[in-house]
Amino acid sequence: QVQLQESGPGLVKPSQTLSLTCTVSGGSISSGGYYWSWIRQHPGKGLEWIGYIYYSGSTYYNPSLKSRVTISVDTSKNQFSLKLSSVTAADTAVYYCARNDGSSWLDSWGQGTLVTVSS
Amino acid sequence: DIQMTQSPSSLSASVGDRVTITCRASQGISNSLAWYQQKPGKAPKLLLYAASRLESGVPSRFSGSGSGTDYTLTISSLQPEDFATYYCQQYYSTPSTFGPGTKVDIK
Repeated sequence: QVQLQESGPGLVKPSQTLSLTCTVSGGSISSGGYYWSWIRQHPGKGLEWIGYIYYSGSTYYNPSLKSRVTISVDTSKNQFSLKLSSVTAADTAVYYCARNDGSSWLDSWGQGTLVTVSS
Repeated sequence: DIQMTQSPSSLSASVGDRVTITCRASQGISNSLAWYQQKPGKAPKLLLYAASRLESGVPSRFSGSGSGTDYTLTISSLQPEDFATYYCQQYYSTPSTFGPGTKVDIK
């Protein structure tokens, strides 16, 4: 059973870059067959897909965030990461990492981490 | 982007009730639809994918149906652990998008 765990700062200042890492256990990112995603949920709101990466490094970003997002993978550490630049209060959300079978359903999720953007 | 709507936005039901939640896409999505359950403070949990295929380990009281733009999630007999918020997700086209959620609470 694959498990995912997000880590990173819970507080980021406006205009700075939000950086999170997802550590995968119980399965190898390098084995292929799955894409690795970031999703966020604004407080009390619905879900927004940020983007995903394949172990090879190929990525897809939601056009609504594309200019500010970078997702990368470190197969040696079995981790993938999210960077979101020029954050504002509107980026305050719970950020989840998850596994998906191509551009499809998300079958395993991390527990989520709340990131607050505030000075 | 494909817009997803859900109805109702919330409902109150009793244990043992049959509950139906509807999800509508702004264009046809060819059964490329998943359903998730989310409890407060927890990550969403996959229930069904491909509109009607039950994820491993999910109780059979959950079922899904639909086609084209309209889909439903049915809970045949609501159990205490089913009180949660339910989301649909289309993955027919990128970016994948989610519905706004349906909160199921205790009557």
